[in-house]
Amino acid sequence: QSVLTQPPSASGTPGQRVTISCSGSSSNIGSNTVNWYQKLPGTAPKLLIYRNNQRPSGVPDRFSGSKSGTSASLAISGLQSEDEADYYCAALDDSLNYVFGTGAKVTVL
Amino acid sequence: QVQLVQSGAEVKKPGASVKVSCKASGYTFTSYDINWVRQATGQGLEWMGWMNPNSGNTGFAQKFRGRVTLTRNTSISTAYMELSSLRSEDTAVYYCARDFGRLGEVSFDYWGQGTQVTVPS
Repeated sequence: QSVLTQPPSASGTPGQRVTISCSGSSSNIGSNTVNWYQKLPGTAPKLLIYRNNQRPSGVPDRFSGSKSGTSASLAISGLQSEDEADYYCAALDDSLNYVFGTGAKVTVL
Repeated sequence: QVQLVQSGAEVKKPGASVKVSCKASGYTFTSYDINWVRQATGQGLEWMGWMNPNSGNTGFAQKFRGRVTLTRNTSISTAYMELSSLRSEDTAVYYCARDFGRLGEVSFDYWGQGTQVTVPS
């Protein structure tokens, strides 16, 4: 059972902005940085955001991350059909476990 | 370019063990921790543990302590994950991932292609 809670789903039409939340606690998000991963069926997860709001090379700037207190968010602006995927937040917990969020499925209508 | 290449799919009987390999290339194997993550069908991502390829030090999620063994062979830049006492709930795709985080941070920038492990009930 994950300690990081995400909404099960989010959706939008092409070009819209979609936001996914990630709720944790003082022992994980509240005291450590947050990462976001994109998971497409049949492929390995891909790092989208690290250190709360940093994009690895090659990740479009349509993806942005933020963190406040014990919560974090991923925003996808200018939604595209290829963004349809599962998105997971993740953070180190003070127990030295790396914890993933429950995952959110983004649907492009 | 950085690559992590995992071994092929496995089908194991309940109670048996499975050993998955993860061969690294394109970077200095001993400079980055290797982590293991799994995903059962229809479920989310689940972190299992980490290993420092340089020292051999390891850490595990409590759920897997005593059942997972992480090892490496630095001469061939390969990490291994062995899971014992398999049960049907262990049926999942297992991934290795490189941790590039520094100063207490953890971030997985490169992942293996995944290894399907099936334990029929």
